[in-house]
Amino acid sequence: QQPVQSPQAVILREGEDAVINCSSSKALYSVHWYRQKHGEAPVFLMILLKGGEQKGHEKISASFNEKKQQSSLYLTASQLSYSGTYFCGTGVAYGGATNKLIFGTGTLLAVQP
Amino acid sequence: DGGITQSPKYLFRKEGQNVTLSCEQNLNHDAMYWYRQDPGQGLRLIYYSQIVNDFQKGDIAEGYSVSREKKESFPLTVTSAQKNPTAFYLCASTQTGGRYGYTFGSGTRLTVV
Repeated sequence: QQPVQSPQAVILREGEDAVINCSSSKALYSVHWYRQKHGEAPVFLMILLKGGEQKGHEKISASFNEKKQQSSLYLTASQLSYSGTYFCGTGVAYGGATNKLIFGTGTLLAVQP
Repeated sequence: DGGITQSPKYLFRKEGQNVTLSCEQNLNHDAMYWYRQDPGQGLRLIYYSQIVNDFQKGDIAEGYSVSREKKESFPLTVTSAQKNPTAFYLCASTQTGGRYGYTFGSGTRLTVV
């Protein structure tokens, strides 16, 4: 079952902040975040492995609440280059580490000047 | 530079035909994946392989087949049994262990004519 992402779409002005949420019905081993520009391949942003861990990548950071089976991606002071579709990919814990990811349906982010 | 190469970029299939999509990587990754992307549905897993000569079905394997005879190569065949093959197909690879992000190829857009 695919994780649920919210919101489905968001429009921002440059400099504004946004939060994208990812929620799974299954126990998670890992959460990945990717950004995809139209017609291109998804690009890896970050991976979170521990409950409550927060990681950062420039002005983009994320948190992972293992108990709630949720992750959130935080984009601060957005730039035009942040536009694209963001996907979370969840690694389900089948008795140990797994590489297999199930992706959410995506969140379309548009940053306007 | 290391990466994943998918070919062709665009592919047209006639009704009843089998077509094969190529995926080659020089990253020395053990795990490789095929995902299908349809508008509004995110990425759905077709097949994956953790080691050479072994592969597993993903969530939507019906009408597809794969092989993994070499570590570098993971071709996907879309058979005539796949009734709705028009989609964007993405190949990805990663190191095993569940702690690394995916590297994606640039994708193949398949259209039934």
